Amino acid sequence: DAKTTQPNSMESNEEEPVHLPCNHSTISGTDYIHWYRQLPSQGPEYVIHGLTSNVNNRMASLAIAEDRKSSTLILHRATLRDAAVYYCILRAHGGSNYKLTFGKGTLLTVNP
Amino acid sequence: EAGVTQSPTHLIKTRGQQATLRCSPISGHTSVYWYQQALGLGLQFLLWYDEGEERNRGNFPPRFSGRQFPNYSSELNVNALELEDSALYLCASSLQVAGRGAFFGQGTRLTVV
Repeated sequence: DAKTTQPNSMESNEEEPVHLPCNHSTISGTDYIHWYRQLPSQGPEYVIHGLTSNVNNRMASLAIAEDRKSSTLILHRATLRDAAVYYCILRAHGGSNYKLTFGKGTLLTVNP
Repeated sequence: EAGVTQSPTHLIKTRGQQATLRCSPISGHTSVYWYQQALGLGLQFLLWYDEGEERNRGNFPPRFSGRQFPNYSSELNVNALELEDSALYLCASSLQVAGRGAFFGQGTRLTVV
């Protein structure tokens, strides 16, 4: 499985934007970039995904580098509820690689 | 629309017993994934089922097994339970398409005593 690299932890203040980076230099042409988050004592929650173009949804935005070797999850205004572990995952297209392989993720702390 | 549901929420078993965990996917989803999350550790991939077949398996011993039923619900069985099997077991479902997200249930907390 293609590997991703994320910072272990990040800190933000409430109502400020947060940019969570992810490096995936070995990404292949058909890998989708997925982001999930896990709040304490809950199952992971799908956040957003993309292939080449930047994506927006009600939860966040995903900015994908032109060479696709990195991406950034953007929370426009962090709230206390956004404190979670954020996982950046590559999901391959085809074969036996539809599974999601979770790394350690980034622990986001949001200060009031 | 109902999300992924798992049962039971909590399960306490004795070492050596068998545990059965159940998962109902989102309607229309054909793929079901099982993950183990031990306390303070990351999510470890266990099993992937699609259209009733086991498609991929993580690095777990054979006493971890499962199946997927014709209605796409799934069961995870853990035989000969060991203390180290105590963990949160998470089920996720998705369409069999890379460009779609997977959706997780809230998990079954298995405690082996």
